[in-house]
Amino acid sequence: AQTVTQSQPEMSVQEAETVTLSCTYDTSESDYYLFWYKQPPSRQMILVIRQEAYKQQNATENRFSVNFQKAAKSFSLKISDSQLGDAAMYFCAYVNNFNKFYFGSGTKLNVKP
Amino acid sequence: KAGVTQTPRYLIKTRGQQVTLSCSPISGHRSVSWYQQTPGQGLQFLFEYFSETQRNKGNFPGRFSGRQFSNSRSEMNVSTLELGDSALYLCASSLESGANQPQHFGDGTRLSIL
Repeated sequence: AQTVTQSQPEMSVQEAETVTLSCTYDTSESDYYLFWYKQPPSRQMILVIRQEAYKQQNATENRFSVNFQKAAKSFSLKISDSQLGDAAMYFCAYVNNFNKFYFGSGTKLNVKP
Repeated sequence: KAGVTQTPRYLIKTRGQQVTLSCSPISGHRSVSWYQQTPGQGLQFLFEYFSETQRNKGNFPGRFSGRQFSNSRSEMNVSTLELGDSALYLCASSLESGANQPQHFGDGTRLSIL
């Protein structure tokens, strides 16, 4: 069974600094997708970034980028120039070809002014 | 374009009752997925509906069921409620069914069981 592990329950970063959130997953499948979602206190889940497993190039979306290491089954999220609005719970998600989602337990990110 | 709409926002029930939650996807989206979020278990996939058919199902008992209508709106039903069913239930829609489809989430329904 697929499992997704986020080993950092909570992290803090100073505004304008860079922070990296960790995510590892376990799978025997070769084709899958990985996502990072954020959930602010308003509780609506928002897609941050996604990565196709067959692509070696790391995905980037403005200040958000990933470090995808397929062999190591690692998918970390880097947030550059952190802003107060980035404070939220961040969830790493694995999706297989049957479209079943598996989420990590989440990392709470605090941004200090 | 309106986002994913879930109703009601909050719901209080007692053990043994049943409940129906509703989800209206973004216009044009045909896939609807349901998730349960609890502090202890985190986010868990319940099921996905596409074109009125259940495509996928997570590891939940048969008390949890759903359906999708021809306009893609979906309902989730939980029968014989238990205290452990207290959770935030999230619905997400996507254009099509598939792992490459970004999911757009609603604000969720907070279900409390007394």
